[in-house]
Amino acid sequence: AQSVAQPEDQVNVAEGNPLTVKCTYSVSGNPYLFWYVQYPNRGLQFLLKYITGDNLVKGSYGFEAEFNKSQTSFHLKKPSALVSDSALYFCAVRDLDNYGQNFVFGPGTRLSVLP
Amino acid sequence: DGGITQSPKYLFRKEGQNVTLSCEQNLNHDAMYWYRQDPGQGLRLIYYSQIVNDFQKGDIAEGYSVSREKKESFPLTVTSAQKNPTAFYLCASSPRLAGINEQFFGPGTRLTVL
Repeated sequence: AQSVAQPEDQVNVAEGNPLTVKCTYSVSGNPYLFWYVQYPNRGLQFLLKYITGDNLVKGSYGFEAEFNKSQTSFHLKKPSALVSDSALYFCAVRDLDNYGQNFVFGPGTRLSVLP
Repeated sequence: DGGITQSPKYLFRKEGQNVTLSCEQNLNHDAMYWYRQDPGQGLRLIYYSQIVNDFQKGDIAEGYSVSREKKESFPLTVTSAQKNPTAFYLCASSPRLAGINEQFFGPGTRLTVL
């Protein structure tokens, strides 16, 4: 079965500092990996995805993520955090070898960027 | 929120009542999904549909029902059999179910049982 873990419920970072939001996954085949962001009382917005190729994926709003197959991780990063980045972040995986039927979401990590 | 609308934004239900949440998309997407979001639990899949007149149960389908009579619409009914329906409900769509495409989400409906 597919699963996604986000080991930190909350991440606090000062504005201007680099940020990392962690994600690890477990799938039986090759994964498709996604990051989404959710602002209060809103739907999720897509940030970026890893399908194949370069392990460093660049996405929206200056975010990037690094795919590490040996560590089964897909950590979200940004070189310089903004207060407006404060939100709830979800990692998700789709198992292609299982016909990619569904997405599985992690529990979410709340990011607080302090001014 | 990417061409997906959900209504109403807030919904209050008395115990024992069925309620229907609306989800409409104008993105010409084949696949549509319903998720339930509870604090600290992420998103859990209720139902999904790959094509008109076809849908499949997700992980927590008990107490819910759906229909897919039109490509654009995927309404969710929360029945009285759902014992703990208070939650934030999210509808999503994607171009194809078994593909590499991300999902597009609606703004959500917050359901509260009184």
